[in-house]
Amino acid sequence: NAGVTQTPKFQVLKTGQSMTLQCAQDMNHEYMSWYRQDPGMGLRLIHYSVGAGITDQGEVPNGYNVSRSTTEDFPLRLLSAAPSQTSVYFCASTPGGGPYEQYFGPGTRLTVT
Amino acid sequence: AQSVTQLDSQVPVFEEAPVELRCNYSSSVSVYLFWYVQYPNQGLQLLLKYLSGSTLVKGINGFEAEFNKSQTSFHLRKPSVHISDTAEYFCAVSVTPIMDSNYQLIWGAGTKLIIKP
Repeated sequence: NAGVTQTPKFQVLKTGQSMTLQCAQDMNHEYMSWYRQDPGMGLRLIHYSVGAGITDQGEVPNGYNVSRSTTEDFPLRLLSAAPSQTSVYFCASTPGGGPYEQYFGPGTRLTVT
Repeated sequence: AQSVTQLDSQVPVFEEAPVELRCNYSSSVSVYLFWYVQYPNQGLQLLLKYLSGSTLVKGINGFEAEFNKSQTSFHLRKPSVHISDTAEYFCAVSVTPIMDSNYQLIWGAGTKLIIKP
């Protein structure tokens, strides 16, 4: 049982490049979320999914796309990277829509130059 | 809009001393309260949570927190800290949704606990 896994751990992009951050969970959780963490700002929700085929925007969705074709996977796409997207990205999953514990991946540190 | 305030960005404390990390939230309705810990270069993990019942909640690693509804606070405490407690601590609040069953978390900015030898 690996929990929530994220790849890559580190990534450097040039402005305008695109990439996909991968997230997978093996706990059969319905809900998955993407957060970004910036110093002094806590975690901000980018996108979330309440089940396969269903996604919705969070607090800071601009510049990011998501899809959820399976229960296990929830990739985050940066279409045209900008320096403002330099951050640490965390994927999290939770069993359902209630006030349950969120299980976090180890994070991806992204630098956009 | 709901908000969570962690009053201290950093808290330095000597090893074996007690510590309190403060958290206040803005909601006046029913809330669920959480503390998460993030060790260096790791993801976040749940430390403890308050859903209902006793206002004193015990978590992992000797931490506890007290829910105070009148002061809208959920301060985290440990009677004696260890060097291994060096981490960033996040308070989060979930408010009962009105329109759907999706309990989104509102996060505080985090408090870095610095243990001095």
